[in-house]
Amino acid sequence: DIQLTQSPSSLSASVGDRVTITCRASQSITNYLNWYQQKPGKAPKLLIYAASTLQSGVPSRFSGSGSGTDFTLTISSLQPEDFATYYCQQSYTTPRTFGQGTKVDVK
Amino acid sequence: QVQLQESGPGLVKPSETLSLTCTVSGDSISDYYWSWIRQPAGKGLEWIGRIYTTGSTNYNPSLKSRVAMSVDTSKNHFSLNLSSVTAADTAMYYCVRDHPARPFDYWGQGILVTVSS
Repeated sequence: DIQLTQSPSSLSASVGDRVTITCRASQSITNYLNWYQQKPGKAPKLLIYAASTLQSGVPSRFSGSGSGTDFTLTISSLQPEDFATYYCQQSYTTPRTFGQGTKVDVK
Repeated sequence: QVQLQESGPGLVKPSETLSLTCTVSGDSISDYYWSWIRQPAGKGLEWIGRIYTTGSTNYNPSLKSRVAMSVDTSKNHFSLNLSSVTAADTAMYYCVRDHPARPFDYWGQGILVTVSS
């Protein structure tokens, strides 16, 4: 199985901050990396697919980059509605796997 | 707008079989993969497996011996059976569309399944 390691596991930030979350894969997954946002009591929501393509309706303050084994999710200016847990996920092969999550909370 | 809705028992006894169905509305179930993903309370996401509308399946090796999925295109729904459940199978279960270009783009609201006697 391909292991995905996110860092940090949690972070505290303020509205307006630039936030960066990284995801490292145990082997190359080219650009088959996706990012999800999950709020308490809700299903995850697809933010970015194919490493850098913004899902329809997702604000442009979210961006993704990377290829191979190292990927990044960036929120350029954190908004109140962005406090949530973020997961990376690989769709390079089965079994599909997820990172352990990064919780973004209020500083 | 594609919508997915999980249904099934919220309580299953240990050693029995967990059975869930996901009904898809707003689009045909055909020509996509459909996955099940679970999440224990306070923990991360685990992919259980997926089924294509032809009936072809891929399962997580960690659960493969206990998992079976099926699809009924006439009813626009697909199903999950997980046998010999234990307390470790207690989780929120989500059904999800696995689009070839935009993986996991539509999710059900989830159904909480508790394994307890």
